[in-house]
Amino acid sequence: EVQLLESGGGLVQPGGSLRLSCAASGFTFSSYAMSWVRLAPGKGLEWVSSVSGSGGDTYYADSVRGRFTISRDNSKNTLWLQMNSLRAEDTAVYYCAKGRAAYSSSELDFWGQGTLVTVSS
Amino acid sequence: EIVLTQSPATLSLSPGERATLSCRASQSVRTYLTWYQQKPGQAPRLLTYDASNRATGIPSRFSGSGSGTDFTLTISSLEPEDFAVYFCQQRINWPLTFGGGTKVEIK
Repeated sequence: EVQLLESGGGLVQPGGSLRLSCAASGFTFSSYAMSWVRLAPGKGLEWVSSVSGSGGDTYYADSVRGRFTISRDNSKNTLWLQMNSLRAEDTAVYYCAKGRAAYSSSELDFWGQGTLVTVSS
Repeated sequence: EIVLTQSPATLSLSPGERATLSCRASQSVRTYLTWYQQKPGQAPRLLTYDASNRATGIPSRFSGSGSGTDFTLTISSLEPEDFAVYFCQQRINWPLTFGGGTKVEIK
């Protein structure tokens, strides 16, 4: 059974940093691209970042490029999102999601339950 | 960036009725269009991918269609558990983008 368990969310002041983690199990982690998607209060889903199975290719939304860094450790079946220079508009539930296939832009067939990030003073 | 516009924003229907949801892209996405369902407090669920392929375990009452810029998600007969928000998403170009969502509510 595929499981994705996010952690690391919380309350942070504007300009601060957080590191989200996603522990994966139930599938061959290195064979699939992984993504982060967020849902801000009262808004729709927003894609944040994706990484290829090998970790060699990374992609970012313009709204986070230069501030967020996606990475993975295939030996630990773990995905991370390092978030720096956080802004109020980054407040959202952040979901870790697995690609259905190997290609980086694959649709997302399994999602974690999400971790809440609140940026406020 | 490809903009996806979903309509209507809200669809008020009764159980057993047919739901037709629309997603229009600002430029062609060929058939690289995905539909997700999300209920309050839950993670999104993959329904269909590549415009018309149902994901594993998705009931046959859900069907996707379309190509290019115009896509439709049809729920042939609404079950009580189908009342939720539905999002479309394109994957032909980076950045990946989602539509604003259609809420299917009980009339």
